[in-house]
Amino acid sequence: QSALTQPASVSGSPGQSITISCTGSSSDVGTYNYVSWYQQHPGKVPKLMIYDVSNRPSGVSNRFSGSKSGNTASLTISGLQAEDEADYYCNSYTTSSTWVFGGGTKLTVL
Amino acid sequence: QLQLQESGPGLVKPSETLSLTCTVSGGSISSSSYYWGWIRQPPGKGLEWIGNIYYSGSTSYNPSLKSRITISLDTSKNQFSLSLNSVTAADTAVYYCARRKGASGSRDCWGQGTLVTVSS
Repeated sequence: QSALTQPASVSGSPGQSITISCTGSSSDVGTYNYVSWYQQHPGKVPKLMIYDVSNRPSGVSNRFSGSKSGNTASLTISGLQAEDEADYYCNSYTTSSTWVFGGGTKLTVL
Repeated sequence: QLQLQESGPGLVKPSETLSLTCTVSGGSISSSSYYWGWIRQPPGKGLEWIGNIYYSGSTSYNPSLKSRITISLDTSKNQFSLSLNSVTAADTAVYYCARRKGASGSRDCWGQGTLVTVSS
């Protein structure tokens, strides 16, 4: 199975909004609404930010939102804050009953 | 409060078998609501899904690792384990155990991770 495609890096200034894309295929993102997003600060454990395309776990800021169109899922962070600087990974279920991660995106807050 | 904790050797020799255990506290791995799985992250690289197991013993594995891995449950100890054989330096990574909610992509609880280095 091939990893989902994410941009290697994105950046934005405090207060701005950014969007990270996650492109898969009809074998994963395009078929299932089981897309999740994880935030990982350096040396830390990944943290669930969005699950099932657009659901936010309790305790996650509503500045984080998720969506999907066709084979591409997206994570949007609004009102960017310095603490949002981290790596972000998408993850999807596949038609082979397995799971696949994206390559990760490094978010830099300028 | 659910907690997961990985344990096992931090150093494994090439061609040998990597064995890790995840101990679950504050919840039961016999719950029909969750899957229990392993994810790894080579140094400086991204996350890779390894596989998961359901309380019934049903497993699902990453196709690229399937020939070398086994994930098992020990309900008496509330633990699940990973065995990866014929390891090479490419298997050097931080290994995480995690819980995923059934019929969902929600991996809401992770262990702290354990670094396993493959080296002679």
